[in-house]
Amino acid sequence: AQSVAQPEDQVNVAEGNPLTVKCTYSVSGNPYLFWYVQYPNRGLQFLLKYITGDNLVKGSYGFEAEFNKSQTSFHLKKPSALVSDSALYFCAVRDGGATNKLIFGTGTLLAVQP
Amino acid sequence: EAGVTQFPSHSVIEKGQTVTLRCDPISGHDNLYWYRRVMGKEIKFLLHFVKESKQDESGMPNNRFLAERTGGTYSTLKVQPAELEDSGVYFCASRGGLEPEKLFFGSGTQLSVL
Repeated sequence: AQSVAQPEDQVNVAEGNPLTVKCTYSVSGNPYLFWYVQYPNRGLQFLLKYITGDNLVKGSYGFEAEFNKSQTSFHLKKPSALVSDSALYFCAVRDGGATNKLIFGTGTLLAVQP
Repeated sequence: EAGVTQFPSHSVIEKGQTVTLRCDPISGHDNLYWYRRVMGKEIKFLLHFVKESKQDESGMPNNRFLAERTGGTYSTLKVQPAELEDSGVYFCASRGGLEPEKLFFGSGTQLSVL
């Protein structure tokens, strides 16, 4: 079965510093990987996806993610954090089959201090 | 373009009562998903509609949960009778149109069963 793991419940970073939110995956076959963000009192918003091609994927709000097949990881990164990046981040993998449903991780709360 | 809307945003009910959640997907999106997040856990898939047909309902917890999507437009998720463990945030998402890989989420319904 497809799954993702987000090992950190919370990541704290100072504004202006680089940030990394970790995600590892377990899939059979080629992985379709996603990052979503949830701001307070809002629904989840799509950030970026990896389907195939370049291992470095660029997404919304200056975020990027690096696909690493040997380490089965898909970490989310940003060179310089903003206070407004503080939110809940979810990694997800697409399940195979007709539904194309997403399997989510437990989420990582990113707190950016001014 | 209107996004995915969910109603109500919050619901507080007593154990044994009935609650109905509603989701209006983005117009033209054939695929509609229900997910649930229990406090601190992963976002779990409940079921998937394609138009008015249930494509996959493998994530529905038990027969106290009933989802419908009459006419292939909006969807309802009814919990009857509600139990304490049903508390959580229920998200609806839709997919289709020009961005078939991307799920668009509503803001969720926070359900509290006391």
